[in-house]
Amino acid sequence: QTVVTQEPSLTVSPGGTVTLTCASSTGAVTSGYYPNWFQQKPGQAPRALIYSTMKKHSWTPARFSGSLLGGKAALTLSGVQPEDEAEYYCLLYRGGAWVFGGGTKLTVL
Amino acid sequence: EVQLVESGGGLVQPGGSLRLSCAASGFTFSSYDMHWVRQATGKGLEWVSGIDTASNTYYPGSVKGRFTISRENAKNSLYLQMNSLRAGDTAVYYCARGFGGGDSAIFDYWGQGALVTVSS
Repeated sequence: QTVVTQEPSLTVSPGGTVTLTCASSTGAVTSGYYPNWFQQKPGQAPRALIYSTMKKHSWTPARFSGSLLGGKAALTLSGVQPEDEAEYYCLLYRGGAWVFGGGTKLTVL
Repeated sequence: EVQLVESGGGLVQPGGSLRLSCAASGFTFSSYDMHWVRQATGKGLEWVSGIDTASNTYYPGSVKGRFTISRENAKNSLYLQMNSLRAGDTAVYYCARGFGGGDSAIFDYWGQGALVTVSS
């Protein structure tokens, strides 16, 4: 059973830059894991941000970007806005199954 | 406009069964894989099942043998039959659109969720 690990919480100042990461217990994350990133605010359904490592949806703000970094999938927010405060989840594909990370609570302070 | 609307949630006793439905509109349903994802209150997201366009099905170990995903393309509908329900299955269940071929996005559209509560 693959375990996907994210930072439990991060804090960033408005206008700053922050990188969230997503690691797999099976080893280095590659493009073959099709990393996805989602944003979720309280009381709302998840909103898709990034798919297939770095591809953006039509609604994804330009300040969000996806990449592979040091064997992990990464989501970078540049020029953070107060409205970016939310829970962020990564999702990886492994062995015929999809596995979510535990989520990162991003605080903008 | 793509829309996914879940229904069928409610209160069920431990050991009981429930069937969720997801009505899809705004896209060619038969051309997309579909998924169910759940979230217990205050917890993270958990992928529960997936079905591809050929109706091949996929499950994690936590629900395999108890949950069955199916689709009815003529009705643009996705289903999740849940049997032998446990307290740990209590969650909001979301349906989500999956891969549609080519360079299409995956998990791009989600419904608003259906609450399933397993309790005596």
